[in-house]
Amino acid sequence: EAGVTQFPSHSVIEKGQTVTLRCDPISGHDNLYWYRRVMGKEIKFLLHFVKESKQDESGMPNNRFLAERTGGTYSTLKVQPAELEDSGVYFCASSHSGTQYFGPGTRLTVL
Amino acid sequence: GNSVTQMEGPVTLSEEAFLTINCTYTATGYPSLFWYVQYPGEGLQLLLKATKADDKGSNKGFEATYRKETTSFHLEKGSVQVSDSAVYFCALRGSNFGNEKLTFGTGTRLTIIP
Repeated sequence: EAGVTQFPSHSVIEKGQTVTLRCDPISGHDNLYWYRRVMGKEIKFLLHFVKESKQDESGMPNNRFLAERTGGTYSTLKVQPAELEDSGVYFCASSHSGTQYFGPGTRLTVL
Repeated sequence: GNSVTQMEGPVTLSEEAFLTINCTYTATGYPSLFWYVQYPGEGLQLLLKATKADDKGSNKGFEATYRKETTSFHLEKGSVQVSDSAVYFCALRGSNFGNEKLTFGTGTRLTIIP
């Protein structure tokens, strides 16, 4: 069974540009989560989808971040416009119930 | 709100040494507790978990016991190997229905030298 996949693995953009991150969860997992780790600090929750609905988006830092999960399968996280403080590693996780399985992360560098 | 306090790193040990990475938490109710590991160049992997007080999670020689009286979930291994070099994250999931987000500690970078 394939694990959680994320694309791209690494993205380097300039301040003000737009970046879209993609996450493909494990097949059959209704729950999908986004987290990020900034500057070697703790990994912080961003939001939680149940199928295509946002269950909890309390961790989204501001309205420059937009997450979607059309059709309840893969999800995208768009940052527009990107700022320097958005640099970090963005992790996606999915679960059926209980244990969350993480993807390898996307390292975002904003210059 | 929920929080996790994890032993500051980095930690460097010799091969076959005993490892302890401390983790304490603050949460209401009865959270589930986890240790995740990130090996170099890879994503987060679940190492072990415990879902109720006094449970012991174990995997790959690592152990952690859910201690509600001390609100702790310390990670231990009796004899570490070079291949254990990684970043270790302690995390909790709240017990409230619908609140499934994980709260992580800052991570502890472990380096094992031959």
